[in-house]
Amino acid sequence: KAGVTQTPRYLIKTRGQQVTLSCSPISGHRSVSWYQQTPGQGLQFLFEYFSETQRNKGNFPGRFSGRQFSNSRSEMNVSTLELGDSALYLCASSGTGTGETQYFGPGTRLLVL
Amino acid sequence: KNEVEQSPQNLTAQEGEFITINCSYSVGISALHWLQQHPGGGIVSLFMLSSGKKKHGRLIATINIQEKHSSLHITASHPRDSAVYICAVTPNTGNQFYFGTGTSLTVIP
Repeated sequence: KAGVTQTPRYLIKTRGQQVTLSCSPISGHRSVSWYQQTPGQGLQFLFEYFSETQRNKGNFPGRFSGRQFSNSRSEMNVSTLELGDSALYLCASSGTGTGETQYFGPGTRLLVL
Repeated sequence: KNEVEQSPQNLTAQEGEFITINCSYSVGISALHWLQQHPGGGIVSLFMLSSGKKKHGRLIATINIQEKHSSLHITASHPRDSAVYICAVTPNTGNQFYFGTGTSLTVIP
């Protein structure tokens, strides 16, 4: 099976712009979670989607949003970018249940100038 | 307050040494995970535990649910084990992870 893929892998944006990141889960996986990793804060949970519904949400402002399509592919959007949004954004997929092993994608490295 | 605490933050070992990384958590969990992250960002899931002990090659992970504590052991460490090891828990309330701050391991030949 193909692993989790994320596009793009690298992105440079300027403050105030918006960005959309994409994640394709492993075939058959219905849960997709998004995480932000920064040197200062480490890994933090953004949100989780399951069967096109947001099932869990972390403590991020409303500028961070996401969605999931019927084929389980997911996108996350960050509007009005700030310098502090520079980070590695990781998505992970799992089958269906709570506590399952999550399979991570390679990440999208976002730099906001 | 961090739901997951890991120690040590940094660890340097000579090749062949036995290594232990510790993780404590404060929330009710459905599972605890040990993850490995190499330079460049890719994260690999090493273990998922809900009780007891698991072994994979030179890696051993244990969990004590009553004490809310887990350990990751690496026997006969090798330079290719150099990476950041991250403890993460899945709370009873959902499918997300809460992460520890990670342990940066360097194994010197």
